[in-house]
Amino acid sequence: EAGVTQSPTHLIKTRGQQATLRCSPISGHTSVYWYQQALGLGLQFLLWYDEGEERNRGNFPPRFSGRQFPNYSSELNVNALELEDSALYLCASSWRKSDTQYFGPGTRLTVL
Amino acid sequence: GIQVEQSPPDLILQEGANSTLRCNFSDSVNNLQWFHQNPWGQLINLFYIPSGTKQNGRLSATTVATERYSLLYISSSQTTDSGVYFCAVEKGTSGTYKYIFGTGTRLKVLA
Repeated sequence: EAGVTQSPTHLIKTRGQQATLRCSPISGHTSVYWYQQALGLGLQFLLWYDEGEERNRGNFPPRFSGRQFPNYSSELNVNALELEDSALYLCASSWRKSDTQYFGPGTRLTVL
Repeated sequence: GIQVEQSPPDLILQEGANSTLRCNFSDSVNNLQWFHQNPWGQLINLFYIPSGTKQNGRLSATTVATERYSLLYISSSQTTDSGVYFCAVEKGTSGTYKYIFGTGTRLKVLA
């Protein structure tokens, strides 16, 4: 069984640009979660999608957005990139809410 | 909001030693997970343990939900156990959902 996959592995952008990160959950999982791990700030919850709907978001500005597609894969978009958006972005999936979350390898975003 | 604190923040062990990592949380939670983050950033599930005790090989975990803490035991540590250990708690439902990671324990096992 394939695990959670994320693409790209690394992404380099300049300030003001937009970044798009992708995540494919484990087959059969309908919930997808996004997290940011920035240096010195630990792991922070960003977004939760379930059955194609955004269920909740963490304490992040609206320029962080995303969506979940009918096949349950998900996309995270970060608009108007700022230097402090540089971080490891992790995606996780679960069969349903309150079930074990399985994490992908992450996308390392660098904003110059 | 809910606080999740882990101790110790750093731990250095000689190979073969045992250790106990602790996770304290300030409010009732729906569930709790333990993860190991390897040097490449990959988070690996260790336990899904909202309450009770579970064991998997050299690792075991106990969560006492009524007292708001969880413990991760590592026995006969190996160099491959090195990395950062996180606990994470889930609280709330749709619209109020929060998934909060602890501050982490950085473990280094020496050969």
